[in-house]
Amino acid sequence: DAGVIQSPRHEVTEMGQEVTLRCKPISGHNSLFWYRQTMMRGLELLIYFNNNVPIDDSGMPEDRFSAKMPNASFSTLKIQPSEPRDSAVYFCASSFSQVPTGELFFGEGSRLTVL
Amino acid sequence: TQLLEQSPQFLSIQEGENLTVYCNSSSVFSSLQWYRQEPGEGPVLLVTVVTGGEVKKLKRLTFQFGDARKDSSLHITAAQPGDTGLYLCLTGGGNKLTFGTGTQLKVEL
Repeated sequence: DAGVIQSPRHEVTEMGQEVTLRCKPISGHNSLFWYRQTMMRGLELLIYFNNNVPIDDSGMPEDRFSAKMPNASFSTLKIQPSEPRDSAVYFCASSFSQVPTGELFFGEGSRLTVL
Repeated sequence: TQLLEQSPQFLSIQEGENLTVYCNSSSVFSSLQWYRQEPGEGPVLLVTVVTGGEVKKLKRLTFQFGDARKDSSLHITAAQPGDTGLYLCLTGGGNKLTFGTGTQLKVEL
């Protein structure tokens, strides 16, 4: 079975450009999470969707970040305009049951470098 | 948001050695999970502990949940290079999911 699929795996862009990261969760999962990982701050939860509805976006750094989940099989994280401090690995994860008793399944991540 | 401190932050050992890493909080955990993340990949679940005092074994890995459910430990016996990775604890629920600060383990031949 396919796991969580993220694209692109790597993105290099220049400051000020728009970046769109994509995620396809595991079929049947009803929760989707976007995380950002850096050496300094570790894994930070950006936003959490349940049944395609954003439940809490308090982890989103600022208005430059936005996330959507138009249907159960697709989500996007957009950064506009991008800045060098946005450089990080962005992970999408999905789960079926309540975490942390249920399992959180992660994609392989999208490594973003903003020059 | 519950803060999870993991220790040590970094650990470099030789193959065959034993080690223990810790996950601590000032708050009570509802339940807790341990994940391992290898380079270039996302974290993968190792175990979930729910009951205070619970001990779970996964081959050479032993997980313990503190009696008061405010701490947890992961013990690896006879570490192997394949154990190399970032070990993370996770607790909370829904939008309050919190990962620990992580322990970066390197096992050398």
